[in-house]
Amino acid sequence: NAGVMQNPRHLVRRRGQEARLRCSPMKGHSHVYWYRQLPEEGLKFMVYLQKENIIDESGMPKERFSAEFPKEGPSILRIQQVVRGDSAAYFCASSPPRPGGRSYEQYFGPGTRLTVT
Amino acid sequence: KNEVEQSPQNLTAQEGEFITINCSYSVGISALHWLQQHPGGGIVSLFMLSSGKKKHGRLIATINIQEKHSSLHITASHPRDSAVYICAVGGSGNTPLVFGKGTRLSVIA
Repeated sequence: NAGVMQNPRHLVRRRGQEARLRCSPMKGHSHVYWYRQLPEEGLKFMVYLQKENIIDESGMPKERFSAEFPKEGPSILRIQQVVRGDSAAYFCASSPPRPGGRSYEQYFGPGTRLTVT
Repeated sequence: KNEVEQSPQNLTAQEGEFITINCSYSVGISALHWLQQHPGGGIVSLFMLSSGKKKHGRLIATINIQEKHSSLHITASHPRDSAVYICAVGGSGNTPLVFGKGTRLSVIA
């Protein structure tokens, strides 16, 4: 059972370009979370998705950022018109369905390191 | 004030020492997570606990729900334990994780 996969591992974009980050959850996991780690800072929640639904996007910047988790394929975090301040490590995590609102362990991907030049 | 506070921020230990990292939180939670982030950046989930104590190899995690406090202990520390240890708390249902700033541990041979 492969772990959480993220690609690319490293991404370099010039200011104004678009960045697309992909996350494939573990097999059987239907919950995906995106987190951002700015240089020298802690992890911050961005968005929580289930298949075809955004459950909580309270941590997403209001502009330029969007996320999806389609019925088929990986979850995508999309950053339009990137700026230098978007340079960070973006981690994806997944967890299994959680009936009854229980918390489940989250399994993290290796992260995508985005550098905006 | 952060909802999740870790101490110490940095810790240097000699190989073989017993290590304790503390985490205090101010919100109601359903579970607390301890994560390990290696110098290469990858994150590994060490423990998820909602009460009592869990042990895995040389790692022990405890939580006191009434005091809103958790500790991560490493026995017989080794240089390969050098990493950033992160405490995160989550509520029930769809509440997202809230992270501490991490404790940077260096174990010297």
